[in-house]
Amino acid sequence: KAGVTQTPRYLIKTRGQQVTLSCSPISGHRSVSWYQQTPGQGLQFLFEYFSETQRNKGNFPGRFSGRQFSNSRSEMNVSTLELGDSALYLCASSFDGSYEQYFGPGTRLTVT
Amino acid sequence: GQSLEQPSEVTAVEGAIVQINCTYQTSGFYGLSWYQQHDGGAPTFLSYNALDGLEETGRFSSFLSRSDSYGYLLLQELQMKDSASYFCAVKGDGGSQGNLIFGKGTKLSVKP
Repeated sequence: KAGVTQTPRYLIKTRGQQVTLSCSPISGHRSVSWYQQTPGQGLQFLFEYFSETQRNKGNFPGRFSGRQFSNSRSEMNVSTLELGDSALYLCASSFDGSYEQYFGPGTRLTVT
Repeated sequence: GQSLEQPSEVTAVEGAIVQINCTYQTSGFYGLSWYQQHDGGAPTFLSYNALDGLEETGRFSSFLSRSDSYGYLLLQELQMKDSASYFCAVKGDGGSQGNLIFGKGTKLSVKP
């Protein structure tokens, strides 16, 4: 069974630009959660999608948004990028939002 | 809200036993999970405790005391490959949803 895939793996953007990250969950998994990981703040929950609906959202500004498609693939978008958005963005899938989540390799975003 | 406290670093020698503690504060508790993350890698699920007591999985065990809001991960017969960061996590509000709240992580260094 293929694991969680994320594209792109690395991205360099300039302040003020926007970016879209993609996540393909494990086949059959309907829940996709997104996390931001930085050295200072650790792993922080962004949002979770389940069957194309956002079920929960973390404490991030509205510049961070996402969506999920009917095949469970998910995208997250960050608009008006700030230097502080530089981070590793991880997505994780599970069948139903359980404790056992399967993480993708992440997208390393650098904002200059 | 939720918060988790765990030591930032732990060092141990190969073959030894190490315990990584985690204390948590949550408005609703749905269980405690542990994840391992090697440098440059993605977090991987290790264990989950919903009830008090010890859960054993090979060299790794996890313990939970709900009355003390406390848990720990026990690693036995340490190997060099166990050098990694270990995160405890609880569910955010709404236990059925995939919003994990992570501790800041404990960096374990295993020395020969």
